[in-house]
Amino acid sequence: GQNIDQPTEMTATEGAIVQINCTYQTSGFNGLFWYQQHAGEAPTFLSYNVLDGLEEKGRFSSFLSRSKGYSYLLLKELQMKDSASYLCAVMDSNYQLIWGAGTKLIIKP
Amino acid sequence: GAVVSQHPSRVICKSGTSVKIECRSLDFQATTMFWYRQFPKKSLMLMATSNEGSKATYEQGVEKDKFLINHASLTLSTLTVTSAHPEDSSFYICSARGPWEGETQYFGPGTRLLVL
Repeated sequence: GQNIDQPTEMTATEGAIVQINCTYQTSGFNGLFWYQQHAGEAPTFLSYNVLDGLEEKGRFSSFLSRSKGYSYLLLKELQMKDSASYLCAVMDSNYQLIWGAGTKLIIKP
Repeated sequence: GAVVSQHPSRVICKSGTSVKIECRSLDFQATTMFWYRQFPKKSLMLMATSNEGSKATYEQGVEKDKFLINHASLTLSTLTVTSAHPEDSSFYICSARGPWEGETQYFGPGTRLLVL
């Protein structure tokens, strides 16, 4: 079956760095997405990786290793507004998005 | 990024009535739109995929006669919850994607439905 694993919850301190991991097993691979979702709101797009390596976008970076079925989202200089759930999603061979359950990130002052 | 709107943002209705939710792509042509449902503290659950001008493809376990989807144009899809019941209360979110299958999905702000 298809499976996306990410930690349920993480806690970090304002100003610090946090890495949210995502491992996947899917039928084919056409890219991996990270979305941010604040409580009570819809997800917003953060990043897309289809090739191995690191993609940097401001304070957020996303890494992919296709051979390991692994990705991480790196958040630097954490701010209180970064408290949210972070969803990892993989597009399979049918171009369907397979969603992880999300990682709730709690930022403490 | 692309902008997707959803209306209404919040609706309360009586049991047995029907509710229509609109999803619009404001600055791009959305060949494909997706409808999701999300329960509190749970991940997104895909309900159906709709392509402009054709019938929607429903996920297993989703009643197509209860959740009517219409994708009449490249910028508008509607979801109608027919004969709503309290268990239909949920957060409904649409997303839209351009013509290329590998393209990013952009989400609307969601509609919170409460059925009394």
